[in-house]
Amino acid sequence: AQKITQTQPGMFVQEKEAVTLDCTYDTSDPSYGLFWYKQPSSGEMIFLIYQGSYDQQNATEGRYSLNFQKARKSANLVISASQLGDSAMYFCAMREGPTGGGNKLTFGTGTQLKVEL
Amino acid sequence: GAVVSQHPSWVICKSGTSVKIECRSLDFQATTMFWYRQFPKQSLMLMATSNEGSKATYEQGVEKDKFLINHASLTLSTLTVTSAHPEDSSFYICSAIGGGQPQHFGDGTRLSIL
Repeated sequence: AQKITQTQPGMFVQEKEAVTLDCTYDTSDPSYGLFWYKQPSSGEMIFLIYQGSYDQQNATEGRYSLNFQKARKSANLVISASQLGDSAMYFCAMREGPTGGGNKLTFGTGTQLKVEL
Repeated sequence: GAVVSQHPSWVICKSGTSVKIECRSLDFQATTMFWYRQFPKQSLMLMATSNEGSKATYEQGVEKDKFLINHASLTLSTLTVTSAHPEDSSFYICSAIGGGQPQHFGDGTRLSIL
């Protein structure tokens, strides 16, 4: 079974609108972390936001928020007020095990977001 | 914030040569570094996990004699693609963690083997 599932290969959104990128995960480890990264066409991976499995509140970072629904095992990324510069590939990733354990990340297949005028 | 530097960013070389890619953590000590490979329009696939001072742990299906990883210090890990062939052409990207930081990535290396 896939550990990280991103069901949207591509998404379009109009500038200034909000967009939700879906991510579901599968793990039996009670301690885990969920990450979102942005990868522009230039290739670098830009860290956006992090949610720990024990965090009580949804993570927020500026225009990015993570809609964490633990019972549903979903960790959707919400981008508010989309900008043209948000056009990129977005990856959801999971670390199984506690922070500091040196544990690897497992990535989803990504969602290509295109912001239109 | 934390920065990971990867060099070179782009390399083209002839089939049969070896290519070394460096990954450096610039402002933190990276106890663990990871090496990924990414084909166009696909996800990152972990190749190996590298801990300072010990042998790298390779993922299933990754040839350790083909992809040599050295993590000699807390700020530097290298990936050497030995006797590279056209099928080794890909985007290689490293990441590093340490000091409670989230995993930070280098800018990647585009490798083209002719």
